[in-house]
Amino acid sequence: DGGITQSPKYLFRKEGQNVTLSCEQNLNHDAMYWYRQDPGQGLRLIYYSQIVNDFQKGDIAEGYSVSREKKESFPLTVTSAQKNPTAFYLCASREITGELFFGEGSRLTVL
Amino acid sequence: GQNIDQPTEMTATEGAIVQINCTYQTSGFNGLFWYQQHAGEAPTFLSYNVLDGLEEKGRFSSFLSRSKGYSYLLLKELQMKDSASYLCAVRDPGSGGYQKVTFGTGTKLQVIP
Repeated sequence: DGGITQSPKYLFRKEGQNVTLSCEQNLNHDAMYWYRQDPGQGLRLIYYSQIVNDFQKGDIAEGYSVSREKKESFPLTVTSAQKNPTAFYLCASREITGELFFGEGSRLTVL
Repeated sequence: GQNIDQPTEMTATEGAIVQINCTYQTSGFNGLFWYQQHAGEAPTFLSYNVLDGLEEKGRFSSFLSRSKGYSYLLLKELQMKDSASYLCAVRDPGSGGYQKVTFGTGTKLQVIP
């Protein structure tokens, strides 16, 4: 079955630590996206990538970094520079028609 | 920049019809999406409008007016399971071939018996 897999589903981090969230897709989509969602809020764009080895900052990129070394993979690193990292993180890839397919999300909590 | 507005919350009765509005002001436009999101879950696709008019899909319909920067999602014969957040999103062609997809804050719909 094709889809998007995010891991881990739940992650706890101490202040000052970097953490990396995994996102893998086997849909053969070129474009991939990372969003952050806070309780009761909509989705805010962190980074997006149109093709391998290229990506663009979204609206709230500060404190985050990404890489796109393979078409299937778009990992997100939440660095210690991100002051309020506790949130629900969603990865998506985009069908050529424009529709976004989402992973199940990763819930990050800073202790 | 992008600005997408939706009502924060709505309440409707089971079996009724509800209309959720979305207005947008974006630097570019290449389509508007509606997604449904149940609490704690990922959004799921409902509809996509790129041309003006109404798109119907079962109990759900979506309307777009590009000249007015306006869309609505119409839900008919409401069921309790329709209680969820409904997210409006705009696809912006951007520059350099980058397709940015920006979401509104979402409308939390509560269906009551």
